[in-house]
Amino acid sequence: GAGVSQTPSNKVTEKGKYVELRCDPISGHTALYWYRQSLGQGPEFLIYFQGTGAADDSGLPNDRFFAVRPEGSVSTLKIQRTERGDSAVYLCASSLGRRDTQYFGPGTRLTVL
Amino acid sequence: AQSVTQLGSHVSVSEGALVLLRCNYSSSVPPYLFWYVQYPNQGLQLLLKYTSAATLVKGINGFEAEFKKSETSFHLTKPSAHMSDAAEYFCAVSGGTNAGKSTFGDGTTLTVKP
Repeated sequence: GAGVSQTPSNKVTEKGKYVELRCDPISGHTALYWYRQSLGQGPEFLIYFQGTGAADDSGLPNDRFFAVRPEGSVSTLKIQRTERGDSAVYLCASSLGRRDTQYFGPGTRLTVL
Repeated sequence: AQSVTQLGSHVSVSEGALVLLRCNYSSSVPPYLFWYVQYPNQGLQLLLKYTSAATLVKGINGFEAEFKKSETSFHLTKPSAHMSDAAEYFCAVSGGTNAGKSTFGDGTTLTVKP
């Protein structure tokens, strides 16, 4: 079956702009996660959804970052007033439940000029 | 709280040689431990995971890892390296109330020399 998909694969924006990154999880997976991977580092947890609700958003760096999952499937990560330091690969993963294996998408590479 | 330390950001082995990638973890609750592989411009792929069953865990592509609680380690090994094993490898930990949220190490880049 289809894996986790993320769109766009690449996004270039200017400092101060607003961006949205989309994640389509594996069908039937109730848990969805967002991570951020900066160059030379491992993925860093941002937020985790169980169904429609954010079960843990402790990794969001500040209030410019926000994520939604209104119908318990697709999720959108929203970044306001982007800064150059936001440049990274944003990874999405999904799992059947919170203790199950996480399957990762290919990521969205965000570049803020 | 949980954390992961991967010793050695770069490891180089000859084709056919033993692969050993080191991972030490810290967790205040019984951990789940994972190894992922990432090829260039691709997503993370799970190699294997430990979830409190057998301490020696076998994964895909001939890799295995052993959970050693006394050493807080979860090192990844493969008896004989193949050129296709060249990639970046990440160790991760989750568990307890943090189940779901994974904390990753900074990765080890494996180079395989012919």
